[in-house]
Amino acid sequence: DSGVTQTPKHLITATGQRVTLRCSPRSGDLSVYWYQQSLDQGLQFLIQYYNGEERAKGNILERFSAQQFPDLHSELNLSSLELGDSALYFCASGPHGRDEKLFFGSGTQLSVL
Amino acid sequence: GQQLNQSPQSMFIQEGEDVSMNCTSSSIFNTWLWYKQDPGEGPVLLIALYKAGELTSNGRLTAQFGITRKDSFLNISASIPSDVGIYFCAGVLGGSQGNLIFGKGTKLSVKP
Repeated sequence: DSGVTQTPKHLITATGQRVTLRCSPRSGDLSVYWYQQSLDQGLQFLIQYYNGEERAKGNILERFSAQQFPDLHSELNLSSLELGDSALYFCASGPHGRDEKLFFGSGTQLSVL
Repeated sequence: GQQLNQSPQSMFIQEGEDVSMNCTSSSIFNTWLWYKQDPGEGPVLLIALYKAGELTSNGRLTAQFGITRKDSFLNISASIPSDVGIYFCAGVLGGSQGNLIFGKGTKLSVKP
């Protein structure tokens, strides 16, 4: 058990809808990282938050947004969903603002139908 | 963007065999890491490498940081069924914010 909790584990929704994925980092970790995993693209970095502030941005679409709350949990919001957004979304946490050793949650499998 | 080229894409081997996989890039990395993803789970860190030429072991796993800092390899000796999964290399670019870049993974299947 990595100590990172992600909910829900599975999410099935329709095109055009909006969903929210939730992540609780390991106790004591200040950074939360969001990754998207698809079959053809591997693990793509989306965005990082450190102690409530956006720290780094990767290949995140404008339809996607995230935030980190004062209790350090984070939410990833995906809107105007398209079929191609179907993927496994991982949250990872680390103790610092620049982490190599990440602790990953079990992921949220998003299916857009 | 930066890319890590991981090979092979997949491997199907006999239990007890040794396994070798590698990762290359056109960019120089400060740190190389190897993660393993079990089915239905998130990736877990196996080995971290910080210096060019460094060779590090973790049980049956051995990884090396290439001298040019543009490549790394991972060896697994005497494979067992629980080695099944996807192995990812990941690198941290020099001078950047330090976000991890992942390769596309090597999927390992083991025949009992």
